[in-house]
Amino acid sequence: QPVLTQSSSASASLGSSVKLTCTLSSGHSSSIVAWHQQQPGKAPRYLMRLEGSGSYNKGSGVPDRFSGSRSGADRYLTISNLQSEDESDYYCETWDSNTRVFGGGTKLTVL
Amino acid sequence: EVQLVESGGGLVQPGGSLRLSCAASGFTFSTYAMSWVRQAPGKGLEWVSDVTANGGNTYYADSVKGRFTISRDNSKNMLYLQMNSLRVEDTAVYYCARLYGSGSPHSDVWGKGTTVTVSS
Repeated sequence: QPVLTQSSSASASLGSSVKLTCTLSSGHSSSIVAWHQQQPGKAPRYLMRLEGSGSYNKGSGVPDRFSGSRSGADRYLTISNLQSEDESDYYCETWDSNTRVFGGGTKLTVL
Repeated sequence: EVQLVESGGGLVQPGGSLRLSCAASGFTFSTYAMSWVRQAPGKGLEWVSDVTANGGNTYYADSVKGRFTISRDNSKNMLYLQMNSLRVEDTAVYYCARLYGSGSPHSDVWGKGTTVTVSS
């Protein structure tokens, strides 16, 4: 089954950009990945689906500041013009061989 | 409005049982696979179980296999999770999620969650 690896934390300044990484384990580099945001004390919120080709489809109401991309086994979530409300935990998700997997999550701090 | 509302959480002793429910509205429930995902206090998201749209196929994480049973009632737009032989490590907020996409479905709608506490 796949393994998704995320950095435990990241930080960036208000108004700047940040690129979060989710790395797929060997043999799964073309897998589809979804990104989710979890603000403190709230339920997760779906952000986007990132195809193996690098194209992405965002959920309803997700701001244009959020975008996705890929390079090999890495799947990226880029947040531009960071706002205070972007301070959240971000999780990636994939599915393979009848198993759903989440990355460990990245805690984003907006300075 | 697409909505998922979980219920049924509570405090239960180790070895006990609990049944979680998830009420779906705002979409054609019977055409979507569904999932349960949990989050232990201070921890990340952990997948628990999936069920296909018609209920014919179910999938479980190794940590709950043989103890938890996922089911659905498409006539009532309801998703369930029967949890037996509960352990302290099952303590978590349990979310139900709608799954979107064929081949590699992902969660695209989340409920607000229901809290399960397993303690003596």
